[in-house]
Amino acid sequence: AQRVTQPEKLLSVFKGAPVELKCNYSYSGSPELFWYVQYSRQRLQLLLRHISRESIKGFTADLNKGETSFHLKKPFAQEEDSAMYYCALSQGYGNKLVFGAGTILRVKS
Amino acid sequence: GAGVSQSPSNKVTEKGKDVELRCDPISGHTALYWYRQSLGQGLEFLIYFQGNSAPDKSGLPSDRFSAERTGGSVSTLTIQRTQQEDSAVYLCASSLDAAGGNTEAFFGQGTRLTVV
Repeated sequence: AQRVTQPEKLLSVFKGAPVELKCNYSYSGSPELFWYVQYSRQRLQLLLRHISRESIKGFTADLNKGETSFHLKKPFAQEEDSAMYYCALSQGYGNKLVFGAGTILRVKS
Repeated sequence: GAGVSQSPSNKVTEKGKDVELRCDPISGHTALYWYRQSLGQGLEFLIYFQGNSAPDKSGLPSDRFSAERTGGSVSTLTIQRTQQEDSAVYLCASSLDAAGGNTEAFFGQGTRLTVV
């Protein structure tokens, strides 16, 4: 069965420092990978997906099939990046989304 | 409405009572998901609907939990004989899930359930 692992429950960094939120998955096929974010008192929303290969709010994530990873990175953290981040996997059409346990990112000034 | 709507936003119930949680997905979205978000537990998958059928109910924690979806739209999650460990935020999401792989899920604001 597919599984998503986010090994860090909490990641605390200083403003301006680089950020890397780790995500590993287990799935033998070709998954779709996503990062979702939940800011304080807001609903969970999509941040980015691997298919789009885009940078959103300075964040990027590269799918590494060899390492089965989809780590989220940002070179310079901002205080407004503080939120809960979830990595998610889908097997595509007709299949559910599976989420990791989430990582709280705290950016300190 | 423009987004996924859930009601009630908050529910306090006594242990042993039944509760119903409602989800109105985005119009035209064929896929609908229920998740449970507990402190320290992350996002726990409960059930997934494709249209009115539920191809995956594997996440329902016990037979006290059930869900239905009618008309390919509104869904209701029912918890019978609630227990204190059922206290959590219940999230609903919908997605277009059309062939072509646009599986971005749009979430509601959730129902915070407290069992006392």
